[in-house]
Amino acid sequence: GIQVEQSPPDLILQEGANSTLRCNFSDSVNNLQWFHQNPWGQLINLFYIPSGTKQNGRLSATTVATERYSLLYISSSQTTDSGVYFCAVEVGDSSYKLIFGSGTRLLVRP
Amino acid sequence: DSGVTQTPKHLITATGQRVTLRCSPRSGDLSVYWYQQSLDQGLQFLIQYYNGEERAKGNILERFSAQQFPDLHSELNLSSLELGDSALYFCASSLTGGPYEQYFGPGTRLTVT
Repeated sequence: GIQVEQSPPDLILQEGANSTLRCNFSDSVNNLQWFHQNPWGQLINLFYIPSGTKQNGRLSATTVATERYSLLYISSSQTTDSGVYFCAVEVGDSSYKLIFGSGTRLLVRP
Repeated sequence: DSGVTQTPKHLITATGQRVTLRCSPRSGDLSVYWYQQSLDQGLQFLIQYYNGEERAKGNILERFSAQQFPDLHSELNLSSLELGDSALYFCASSLTGGPYEQYFGPGTRLTVT
């Protein structure tokens, strides 16, 4: 089955710094989503981005489907950005289930 | 708030017991997915329902079952619980059974003692 790899696994930033999180996938995908899991465990939708570039405030994402990767950019990080960031892909079989990467754990220090 | 609701938020039970987790999808969404998040396995797909019918199964144990009711809410039944079933169980919904964005509920944290 498809492999979804995220890097780095852990990241520590000072408040105000910028960062780039990467998601590589081993096969063609129909759909790609980025999520933020906050310290309370909630999974928050960040982007639905099977291809192209999207921006939402300090966050932006780019998916290059032909090269099988996606990037999540966080600018001017804040302590509330701490948590785990997951990338999840849907491969186009009949189920449309999401296959998750193992996540990037981000800690933003004040 | 994603619009997906799950109850209960926390559940503590003993080995061998049976529990039922409940999910209400976003208004208008026909498809419901169940996922399990455990420390050793990460986030894994369990089962999908679309408009009342089972659409796909993932890594779901035979001790687990689910259904989607005519009002589109879904229940996940876990029986003969083992310590290893302790996990965070998420429900997600999407507009159709196709490749639409999935929205996740707050999860039910199950602890088996």
